[in-house]
Amino acid sequence: EAGVVQSPRYKIIEKKQPVAFWCNPISGHNTLYWYLQNLGQGPELLIRYENEEAVDDSQLPKDRFSAERLKGVDSTLKIQPAELGDSAVYLCASSLRGRELFFGEGSRLTVL
Amino acid sequence: QQQVKQSPQSLIVQKGGISIINCAYENTAFDYFPWYQQFPGKGPALLIAIRPDVSEKKEGRFTISFNKSAKQFSLHIMDSQPGDSATYFCAASGSGNDMRFGAGTRLTVKP
Repeated sequence: EAGVVQSPRYKIIEKKQPVAFWCNPISGHNTLYWYLQNLGQGPELLIRYENEEAVDDSQLPKDRFSAERLKGVDSTLKIQPAELGDSAVYLCASSLRGRELFFGEGSRLTVL
Repeated sequence: QQQVKQSPQSLIVQKGGISIINCAYENTAFDYFPWYQQFPGKGPALLIAIRPDVSEKKEGRFTISFNKSAKQFSLHIMDSQPGDSATYFCAASGSGNDMRFGAGTRLTVKP
């Protein structure tokens, strides 16, 4: 069974540029999470989807971040415009019953 | 954001020793307490988890001890090995599937 797939693995952009991250969860997993992980810190929840509905986006900086999960499968997280402080690893995870989370390898963003 | 407090930030243990990492939570609605292991360049992976109806769970060399009244739980790694060197995260979630993570403990096991 394929795991959670994220792309790109690495992205370097200039500040004020847009960037998008893509996540393909494990087949059949209805819950999808986007987490932000700063260096040396634990994952911090950005947004959680139950199927195609965003049920918890309270920590998503909506002035520059947006996310979507079309048809309740793949998801995209976008930042526009990126700021220096957005440099971090963006982790996607999925779960079947909201308990065991399966993480992708993450997308490491560097904003110059 | 951090509803789960984890300590220590880093830990160095000799091979064969016991590694102990502690966590405390505040939200009494949490009812699932996992530990995740993360290697550099990889995403976290579930190591072991416990529910509050038991005080201890053991899987191989890994044991979770849970104290519901104190709202604390800990991970014990027995006979620690160099391959256990990684970052460990405690986490907690409730019925709303809202998984929250601690800040992490970087474990180094010296040969």
